[in-house]
Amino acid sequence: QSVLTQPPSVSGTPGQTVTISCSGSSSNIGSNTINWYQHLPGTAPKLLIYVNDKRPSGVPDRFSGSKSGTSGSLTISGLQSEDEGDYYCATWDASQRGVFGGGTKLTVL
Amino acid sequence: QVQLVESGGGVVQPGRSLRLSCAASGFTFRSAAMHWVRQAPGRGLEWVAVISYDGDNSYYADSVKGRFTISRDNSKKTLYLQMNNLRVEDTAVYFCASGWFGELRLDYWGQGTLVSVSS
Repeated sequence: QSVLTQPPSVSGTPGQTVTISCSGSSSNIGSNTINWYQHLPGTAPKLLIYVNDKRPSGVPDRFSGSKSGTSGSLTISGLQSEDEGDYYCATWDASQRGVFGGGTKLTVL
Repeated sequence: QVQLVESGGGVVQPGRSLRLSCAASGFTFRSAAMHWVRQAPGRGLEWVAVISYDGDNSYYADSVKGRFTISRDNSKKTLYLQMNNLRVEDTAVYFCASGWFGELRLDYWGQGTLVSVSS
């Protein structure tokens, strides 16, 4: 049971837009920023979005993030086959520990 | 380019100890907080521990507190995770990652090292 709640799976066809939600509480998302990670099969996880809505250098602008209150979301537009993998939200909790969402498996149909 | 290379994983019996290492290069190691994150088979990512840039402060997940110790040697640009009293449920791929203290923003990750705890 993860502290942050994500849908187990989402899917879409190439070119579509998908959104992954992340729900937390006042002690984590409500008081800290959200980060998103992409974990593709056989690779190391990669920082996709930091501080709610910022993209590291090299991350396409097809990826965007937002936060409102105790929830956040990751939106992927112009879906591509290489986007298929697992996506995690993450933040810091007031109890001084890091917390991840349970992960969302993205399938490109 | 930034490189984080974990080592020290392997098969160990319950109750035994193991020390993981993470060799860093390509960035200012002494200025970065460092984290350990793990992924059990078929499960999601789980944060394990963080250490401040100077090694003076650290935090742990409840699941490892009292058994695991995170440390670093800035002169060697190396991060460590001493794992004692290992349990079957500690079986996972362990990743080291550079980032920030008091945030779960992890800028760079290693490829991971597998720890398998089994009798």
